[in-house]
Amino acid sequence: GNSVTQMEGPVTLSEEAFLTINCTYTATGYPSLFWYVQYPGEGLQLLLKATKADDKGSNKGFEATYRKETTSFHLEKGSVQVSDSAVYFCALIPMNSGYSTLTFGKGTMLLVSP
Amino acid sequence: DAGVTQSPTHLIKTRGQHVTLRCSPISGHKSVSWYQQVLGQGPQFIFQYYEKEERGRGNFPDRFSARQFPNYSSELNVNALLLGDSALYLCASSPRQGALTGELFFGEGSRLTVL
Repeated sequence: GNSVTQMEGPVTLSEEAFLTINCTYTATGYPSLFWYVQYPGEGLQLLLKATKADDKGSNKGFEATYRKETTSFHLEKGSVQVSDSAVYFCALIPMNSGYSTLTFGKGTMLLVSP
Repeated sequence: DAGVTQSPTHLIKTRGQHVTLRCSPISGHKSVSWYQQVLGQGPQFIFQYYEKEERGRGNFPDRFSARQFPNYSSELNVNALLLGDSALYLCASSPRQGALTGELFFGEGSRLTVL
């Protein structure tokens, strides 16, 4: 079946530090890959996506590259801010899926201190 | 434009009771999906509805049911509540069934506590 594995949290960083949150997946073929973010007290929001191998998704300074060789989609940001503190979810939709059925990882909490 | 709205935001029930959760999608969105998010876990897919028909069902018992109305709003019903049903229930809408972009628009959720 389809699954997503994320690194355990919380990830604790100081402001302006470099961020990496690891994500690997198991799926048939080439799924579409996503990062969603959940800020405290809010619903999930799409952060970025990539729909084919070697695509790079980017938004708000965050980036992730679809690596089919390593079945990975690691999230990176060069300089985090306190406002980036949130829970980050890696997710996939299987290829040729007729439904918007996301399979999520368990989430990684990011805490950024001033 | 209003986002996805869910009600109630919080509720407490006891074991064996029934609960109904409601969701209004973004205007113009015809697909509604429901997810269960247990504390410390990622959301798990429960149902997807498109044009008032069930288009997908996750691995949940028959105690869980849902429906979509002509105005595309949706209800999630859970019967015979168990302690393990305590979770944040998320509703998400998208413009189409397949939502090729994969982007779902989530509400803030309904937090259910079963005592």
